[in-house]
This record gives sequence, structure tokens and C-alpha cells, in this order.
Amino acid sequence: AQTVTQSQPEMSVQEAETVTLSCTYDTSESNYYLFWYKQPPSRQMILVIRQEAYKQQNATENRFSVNFQKAAKSFSLKISDSQLGDTAMYFCAFMKLKGAQKLVFGQGTRLTINP
Amino acid sequence: DGGITQSPKYLFRKEGQNVTLSCEQNLNHDAMYWYRQDPGQGLRLIYYSQIVNDFQKGDIAEGYSVSREKKESFPLTVTSAQKNPTAFYLCASRRTSGYYEQYFGPGTRLTVT
Repeated sequence: AQTVTQSQPEMSVQEAETVTLSCTYDTSESNYYLFWYKQPPSRQMILVIRQEAYKQQNATENRFSVNFQKAAKSFSLKISDSQLGDTAMYFCAFMKLKGAQKLVFGQGTRLTINP
Repeated sequence: DGGITQSPKYLFRKEGQNVTLSCEQNLNHDAMYWYRQDPGQGLRLIYYSQIVNDFQKGDIAEGYSVSREKKESFPLTVTSAQKNPTAFYLCASRRTSGYYEQYFGPGTRLTVT
């Protein structure tokens, strides 16, 4: 079974700083996707970024980028020029492509951006 | 506007009563999912369906039931057999080919007393 671990329950940074959230996962699969989802106080789950395991290039979406280390099974999220609206819970998630394509979530990191 | 709707946003029930949570999507997605979220925890999969008239148990299916009679709809029933039903419930959907991300509804907060 796949597991996803987020080792930082809470993080806090000042506005405009850069912050990196950690995620590690355990799998024997070779084809899979990784995702970062954001859950603001409204509790709506919002997709931030996705990474296909077969791609070596790290995904980027505006201020959000990932550092995907397949051999180390690590998938960290970097938020540059952080904004107050980035305050949220962030969840790392794994999905294998074979069989039932279910998302497995980490426990989440509560990120607070301070003015 | 395409999206996923869940109703109601807040739901209150007495212990011993069954309750059904609604989930509707107009994204033409084949697969639909139900998750449970408890305070300070990640999401846990209750049930999922990849096609109409077919569904599978997730990691915490005990005390829950679902149906998938229409592509757009995937209602979740929380039965009286569910020991700790108070939680936040999220429904999601996605296409089954090409794009693998799941899109989520706004959630239903269920409180059972």
C-alpha cells in the first residue's frame, strides 16, 4: 500500500518570503502522479500543482514549483513571494496509474503567511 | 458553470438516523469519490465509482453506502452503523483518461448528536 508523509504539521512565514513544504511517499509503482492541494479556511480543496512521475522536469505554476526527486521519493512544494491568500492547509497526494486510481493523501501542513 | 455541488453545506442529525449527502457534477466526469476529513487530518477515501452502476469500497467504507445510478450523481448514505459520523465530507470527480487530477465539491459538514 502507498503512504504519504508530510513531516511539518505547521509552518509560518512572513509575506513575500519563500517557503518549502516537504512530502515523502512510499510506493513500489513506477507510473504515478503526485499532487499538491490547498485547502483554505473555506475548506474548498483546490489543486495547486501536479507532477507526472515519468517526467524529469519539475512542474511549475506561477509562484508554485515542485522539487521532485523520484529516487528519494520526495516531492516538496516551493511557494515564492508568498501572499496572505496562500494561508491554508496544504496536502500532498499520490495516485498510481495501475488499477483503481485513488488518491492517497498526507496528513497536511498548516501554512500561515503573516503580514 | 461546470462544477461539483454538494448539499446541504451543514447537516444535523440525531444519533440512530440514516442521512444521505448529495453530490452532483456537470463536468461529464466518469469517476466520482467520497472522502471523509476529521480535524487535523488528511482525507480518507470512503467509496469511489469509476463508471455508472459500479462502485468500490475505499479505506473506511464501514457504516456507509452509495449508489451510482446516473453519471452526474453519487449520493452517500451515512447509516446508523457508522460509529463516529460527525465529520466533514468531500465529494470529488475526475475524467478517467488523460487528466488525472480530482476536482472537489465544497463539502458537507455533518454533525450527529
